[in-house]
Amino acid sequence: EAGVTQSPTHLIKTRGQQATLRCSPISGHTSVYWYQQALGLGLQFLLWYDEGEERNRGNFPPRFSGRQFPNYSSELNVNALELEDSALYLCASSPTRANTGELFFGEGSRLTVL
Amino acid sequence: SQQGEEDPQALSIQEGENATMNCSYKTSINNLQWYRQNSGRGLVHLILIRSNEREKHSGRLRVTLDTSKKSSSLLITASRAADTASYFCATEETGANNLFFGTGTRLTVIP
Repeated sequence: EAGVTQSPTHLIKTRGQQATLRCSPISGHTSVYWYQQALGLGLQFLLWYDEGEERNRGNFPPRFSGRQFPNYSSELNVNALELEDSALYLCASSPTRANTGELFFGEGSRLTVL
Repeated sequence: SQQGEEDPQALSIQEGENATMNCSYKTSINNLQWYRQNSGRGLVHLILIRSNEREKHSGRLRVTLDTSKKSSSLLITASRAADTASYFCATEETGANNLFFGTGTRLTVIP
């Protein structure tokens, strides 16, 4: 069974541009979570989607947005990129939103903003 | 902040020794989980302990939870070089459906 897949693996952008990151959850999982991990730091919760709806949002500006598609895959968009947006962006999925339980993580997308 | 905090930030031990990492958090929780991350990769779930549990074992891992002190510890016994990684605790807060991660402990096991 395929795990959580993320693309692209690496992405280089310049300040002011937009970045789009993609995530495919494990088959049968309806919840998708996005986290930001800046270099050497812990994970900061960004967004949680379930059944196509945004269920919760972390303390990030509105230029961080996303969506979940009918097949439960998800997209994270970061507009007007700033240097401090450089980070590893991790996607995770879980089978249900009844309780979080274990999260299954992808390998991440490393975004570099120059 | 909703995040937990791990202590120590970094730990270096010899192969075969035990490693203990601690996690403190601030709110009431449904469960607390520990994850491992190899150098800039995705996280791997290690163990989950529910708020009504005090101790849990999985192989060489032992986790304790003290809800009165809002703290947890992860013990790795008989460490191996392959245990070298960052370890994070994550809390599912009561009423929430997402996990908040701590700042991590960087463990180095010297062969």
